[in-house]
Amino acid sequence: DADVTQTPRNRITKTGKRIMLECSQTKGHDRMYWYRQDPGLGLRLIYYSFDVKDINKGEISDGYSVSRQAQAKFSLSLESAIPNQTALYFCATSDNRDRHYGYTFGSGTRLTVV
Amino acid sequence: AQKVTQAQTEISVVEKEDVTLDCVYETRDTTYYLFWYKQPPSGELVFLIRRNSFDEQNEISGRYSWNFQKSTSSFNFTITASQVVDSAVYFCALSRSNDYKLSFGAGTTVTVRA
Repeated sequence: DADVTQTPRNRITKTGKRIMLECSQTKGHDRMYWYRQDPGLGLRLIYYSFDVKDINKGEISDGYSVSRQAQAKFSLSLESAIPNQTALYFCATSDNRDRHYGYTFGSGTRLTVV
Repeated sequence: AQKVTQAQTEISVVEKEDVTLDCVYETRDTTYYLFWYKQPPSGELVFLIRRNSFDEQNEISGRYSWNFQKSTSSFNFTITASQVVDSAVYFCALSRSNDYKLSFGAGTTVTVRA
């Protein structure tokens, strides 16, 4: 099993629908992140959480919300999806005690809003 | 604020040519970490290297090498004798620590033609 699992891998949804992207990890890391990738823009941070009781907005949080249900789970919600939220979404974890890599990324969720 | 600039949007080379990817960063932190990631066509992010701001030694790993110069705030990446499998999007990223949020550049798409 992957260290960081994102579900679903692909999703097509209609404008106005509510959708949740889920992320779970087995790394035991405290810090979790949601990034969005758009062509030519790189990855941009949506939200991040340093522990279960800590949620912080990133640079592009408008239109999104998150929930940290447990240390291992961090969900991203689009309350009312719009076409310009079509993108590749990545969940990531990090831990300063992980001296080798620091960060672990999920495989990504490709979301299309029609 | 932190910023990473990858000025090259796309690079196309013929197999066995060398290719250098530029990365310029901005930060006010005296301690920071620089990363390179590879994103092959399959979409996942593959970690390549992490370098902290106190270690300016250049690094070589097989056909990959990295040139870190604090004086010019650059962390360039060279692929020697490129191969078709090197075709991917490459991202440079910056963080104030080993486990803090990452700031990504826009990415450089490398295409290696047989």
